[in-house]
Amino acid sequence: AQSVTQLDSHVSVSEGTPVLLRCNYSSSYSPSLFWYVQHPNKGLQLLLKYTSAATLVKGINGFEAEFKKSETSFHLTKPSAHMSDAAEYFCVVSDPGTGRRALTFGSGTRLQVQP
Amino acid sequence: NAGVTQTPKFQVLKTGQSMTLQCAQDMNHEYMSWYRQDPGMGLRLIHYSVGAGITDQGEVPNGYNVSRSTTEDFPLRLLSAAPSQTSVYFCASSYSITGRGGTGELFFGEGSRLTVL
Repeated sequence: AQSVTQLDSHVSVSEGTPVLLRCNYSSSYSPSLFWYVQHPNKGLQLLLKYTSAATLVKGINGFEAEFKKSETSFHLTKPSAHMSDAAEYFCVVSDPGTGRRALTFGSGTRLQVQP
Repeated sequence: NAGVTQTPKFQVLKTGQSMTLQCAQDMNHEYMSWYRQDPGMGLRLIHYSVGAGITDQGEVPNGYNVSRSTTEDFPLRLLSAAPSQTSVYFCASSYSITGRGGTGELFFGEGSRLTVL
C-alpha cells in the first residue's frame, strides 16, 4: 500500500531564508510523486512532479524537490522564501502497484513566512 | 478557460437532507474525482471516474453517490446528510490516469464548503 508522511504540520521561516518541507513516502513500486500548493480558500495547484526521469525536479515559483529512493524521501526546497509562498503544501504519491487509479495525499504542511 | 467549476461554493444543510454538489470541466478530461478536505487529514478520495459510465469508490465513499453520464460532468450526491460530512469538497480532473496509477496532473476546482447542522 502507498502512503505519504509529511514530517512537519507547520513550518515558519523569515522572508529571504531557505524553505525545507519534508516528505517521506511508502510505495511498493516506482511511484510518481507530486507537490501541490493551496492558497487560502483556493483549490490546489501543481508545483512540480517526479515521474522517474531526473531525480532533481524543478517546479514553479523557484521550488524544487529531490527524489531519493534510498531514503524514500521527496523533500521540497526553495532558496529564498517570499511572502507570497505562505500557503499549505501537500506531498502526493501515485503508486502503480496498488491497482487503483488514485493519488494519496499527505496531511499537509502549513508554511508561514515572517517579514 | 473555465477549467473545473464547482457549485455551490457554500451550503448549509440540516441532518437528513440530501443535496448534490455539481462539478463540470471543459478540458475533455477522462479522469474526474471527488475529495474531501478535513483539518490535519489532507485530502481523502471519495469517488472517482475514468470515463463516462465508469465510476469507482475511493477511500471514504460511504454516504455519497456519483454518476458520470457525460465526460464533462461528475456530480456528487449526499443521500442523507450527517454532521460528519461537514467538510470542504474538491472536484479534480486529469487528462488521463494511465495504467494502474496516476502520472497526470490533477486540476482542482475551488471547493465547496458544506456545513451539516
